[in-house]
Amino acid sequence: DTEVTQTPKHLVMGMTNKKSLKCEQHMGHRAMYWYKQKAKKPPELMFVYSYEKLSINESVPSRFSPECPNSSLLNLHLHALQPEDSALYLCASSPRGGRNTGELFFGEGSRLTVL
Amino acid sequence: AQSVTQPDIHITVSEGASLELRCNYSYGATPYLFWYVQSPGQGLQLLLKYFSGDTLVQGIKGFEAEFKRSQSSFNLRKPSVHWSDAAEYFCAVVPTGGGNKLTFGTGTQLKVEL
Repeated sequence: DTEVTQTPKHLVMGMTNKKSLKCEQHMGHRAMYWYKQKAKKPPELMFVYSYEKLSINESVPSRFSPECPNSSLLNLHLHALQPEDSALYLCASSPRGGRNTGELFFGEGSRLTVL
Repeated sequence: AQSVTQPDIHITVSEGASLELRCNYSYGATPYLFWYVQSPGQGLQLLLKYFSGDTLVQGIKGFEAEFKRSQSSFNLRKPSVHWSDAAEYFCAVVPTGGGNKLTFGTGTQLKVEL
């Protein structure tokens, strides 16, 4: 099993809503990532969890709140988002928790639209 | 400043023609180098990687890439393109020694004409 599964695939929310994106992997990987990708742009790193601890936060606004309940699951909680937050949100994992080599396994993404 | 550059935003090739996508990096030491592919509406898939050693690396789907230290380049090639290769291609780097911060180039959109 070499999959990273993201749910939901599509999400539409209002600016006052609270929603969550979910990501799951069963490859025994110890680092998990959230990336944000706007149309026609490369993915931008948001957060990295290493051994279930937040190790990188790329100065992401607090309306995005990551959570790593265990080594297989990664959530991104969304609250009071802005229309400019509409994007494809990609989850990824890599085998080691520390200094990984850059080989990431990506999910298919959650397409978020904020109205 | 550290950076990775893909000079070509769009490339169009005919099916069966050869392909070369360019990637240049600017780092103090040679980073780990990667090519990822993203089909429309999909996540990213690793095509190939270079850490050290043989400068010509083979990847999946018939792709290869050549590392040239003198040119700080890591260009992606394919001898004969298939229509299914139409996608966005990203060059990416991680600093030598590894890390959890994979930095992507701006991407090259490949269109394949039948």
